[in-house]
Amino acid sequence: DTAVSQTPKYLVTQMGNDKSIKCEQNLGHDTMYWYKQDSKKFLKIMFSYNNKELIINETVPNRFSPKSPDKAHLNLHINSLELGDSAVYFCASSQGEGLLYNEQFFGPGTRLTVL
Amino acid sequence: AQSVAQPEDQVNVAEGNPLTVKCTYSVSGNPYLFWYVQYPNRGLQFLLKYITGDNLVKGSYGFEAEFNKSQTSFHLKKPSALVSDSALYFCAVKGRSNDYKLSFGAGTTVTVRA
Repeated sequence: DTAVSQTPKYLVTQMGNDKSIKCEQNLGHDTMYWYKQDSKKFLKIMFSYNNKELIINETVPNRFSPKSPDKAHLNLHINSLELGDSAVYFCASSQGEGLLYNEQFFGPGTRLTVL
Repeated sequence: AQSVAQPEDQVNVAEGNPLTVKCTYSVSGNPYLFWYVQYPNRGLQFLLKYITGDNLVKGSYGFEAEFNKSQTSFHLKKPSALVSDSALYFCAVKGRSNDYKLSFGAGTTVTVRA
């Protein structure tokens, strides 16, 4: 059973397009995250939702919009894709209610390539 | 602001030798500290964490880490490295304020040669 899954695994698209990445976790966690890993492997938090409420919103272009339909899902929609958006995007989850020290579980990543 | 420094981009060791991956942190107050490992084309996997108590923390795959408050360090260690330990290792820190933000270091690539 996959704990945190992401679709698609690979995404190749043209500049200016709009695309979405989906994430689902079956761990029963209440907090989910989106990270961006650049070509130098640097990992940066983008967003986090706790019980469908946005709790972390880092300095990210407003072309990026997360949506959490329920606790088990956190999707990432990107408008007007740019070359600099090319990266690997990781979804993660943790049990966060009053337990800030709980570890995060990561999905396998979505490699986005913008041409 | 909280941050993590991993001073070595790469660590190379021979199989069977001890492995150390260094990490120092900066955070207001007491930290929660984590180590994650990333194998090629995979997501990050949790190795171990420090919350409180014993400064020596044991984790998965024979790894351990020692919390040193005075040196603000949390170095990852393994007494005898395996070729299969070759991967990218991330140290991460979280402050004890009421937020969920985890700050990662830049990562250290470990290569264990046979």
